[in-house]
Amino acid sequence: QVQLVQSGAEVKKPGSSVKVSCKASGGTFSSHAINWVRQAPGQGLEWMGGIIPGFGEPDYAQKFQDRVTITADESTSTASMELSSLRSEDTAVYYCARPDREDYVFDYWGQGTLVTVSS
Amino acid sequence: DIQMTQSPSSLSASVGDRVTITCRASQRISRYVNWYQHKPGKAPKLLIYAASSLQSGVPSRFSGSGSGTDFTLTISSLQPEDFATYYCQESYSSPLTFGQGTKVEIK
Repeated sequence: QVQLVQSGAEVKKPGSSVKVSCKASGGTFSSHAINWVRQAPGQGLEWMGGIIPGFGEPDYAQKFQDRVTITADESTSTASMELSSLRSEDTAVYYCARPDREDYVFDYWGQGTLVTVSS
Repeated sequence: DIQMTQSPSSLSASVGDRVTITCRASQRISRYVNWYQHKPGKAPKLLIYAASSLQSGVPSRFSGSGSGTDFTLTISSLQPEDFATYYCQESYSSPLTFGQGTKVEIK
């Protein structure tokens, strides 16, 4: 059974960056993409991008293209999402998510990481 | 980008009611639609994948249907633990998109 465990909550100043990690256990780390999805307060789910560990370039939603960097370290089975130039609208819960059998179908989710952007 | 238009945005229902949520894609996407349940403070949970396949461990009162552009999630007999927000998601192409969500509340 795959488990995804994320890093803890963060409070950041506007203009700074945040890096959220997602450690996978169980299954094969490089078999499917690790994706990042966020939910701002009162809003719906929003896909930010994903990466297949060890394979090619990350895939980013155009909205975040200039500010997000998604990486994956096969040696530690850990994926990370770094978001820069933070603004108050980036206050959200950030989830990592991974398929089990079909691309883009999210069977497994991390517990979520709250990122608060406030001066 | 594919737009997923979900309706209604919220609904009130009683335990035992039959509930139907619809999702319309802005282009034909075969059966590449998935449905998630999301409760406050928890991670989303996959209920239905490929439009109509029930995820392992999900109660059979949940079902999905549709293909092309129109999709439906049905809860045949609403239970107390089903009060949550439900999202459709297309897995046809990147960028992935979700519907706006349907909040199912207690009447």
